[in-house]
Amino acid sequence: EAGVTQFPSHSVIEKGQTVTLRCDPISGHDNLYWYRRVMGKEIKFLLHFVKESKQDESGMPNNRFLAERTGGTYSTLKVQPAELEDSGVYFCASSQVRDGELFFGEGSRLTVL
Amino acid sequence: GENVEQHPSTLSVQEGDSAVIKCTYSDSASNYFPWYKQELGKGPQLIIDIRSNVGEKKDQRIAVTLNKTAKHFSLHITETQPEDSAVYFCAAPIRTGGGADGLTFGKGTHLIIQP
Repeated sequence: EAGVTQFPSHSVIEKGQTVTLRCDPISGHDNLYWYRRVMGKEIKFLLHFVKESKQDESGMPNNRFLAERTGGTYSTLKVQPAELEDSGVYFCASSQVRDGELFFGEGSRLTVL
Repeated sequence: GENVEQHPSTLSVQEGDSAVIKCTYSDSASNYFPWYKQELGKGPQLIIDIRSNVGEKKDQRIAVTLNKTAKHFSLHITETQPEDSAVYFCAAPIRTGGGADGLTFGKGTHLIIQP
């Protein structure tokens, strides 16, 4: 069974540009999460989908970030326009049950120059 | 919401010795405490977890202890091996106003096993 897959693995863009990150969760996992880790800091919660619905997006830094999960399958996280402080590793995770094990992807490293 | 503090940020031990990483949490209602291991270039992976109805759980060389009164839990790795070198994260259930599920993480501990 395939795990959580993320694309791209690394993206380098200039300030002001747009980047879209994609996450394919484990098949059958209704819960999908986006997290971000900035250099040396904690893995910080961004938002949580249950199927196609946003359960909570209180962790999203600001309105430059937009997450979608059309059809309740894969999810995208768009940053527009990107700023220097958006650099970090963006992790996607999925789970079958709430308050259960999270299965993480390998992350998408974003570098904003 | 839940706040998780993790110490130390870096831990270096000799191969074969034990390593202990400690975390505290703020929400007394939290009932699930996992530990994740992140190797270079990979995503975090669950290695052990504990629920609040037990005080200790072991799985071969790793164990987790939980003190609900003091609101802290610890990861213990015995007979450390080079492949134990990684970043370890503790976590606790997130509590947000929107009712999200998922986890809030500590800042991570970089464990270095010296040969």
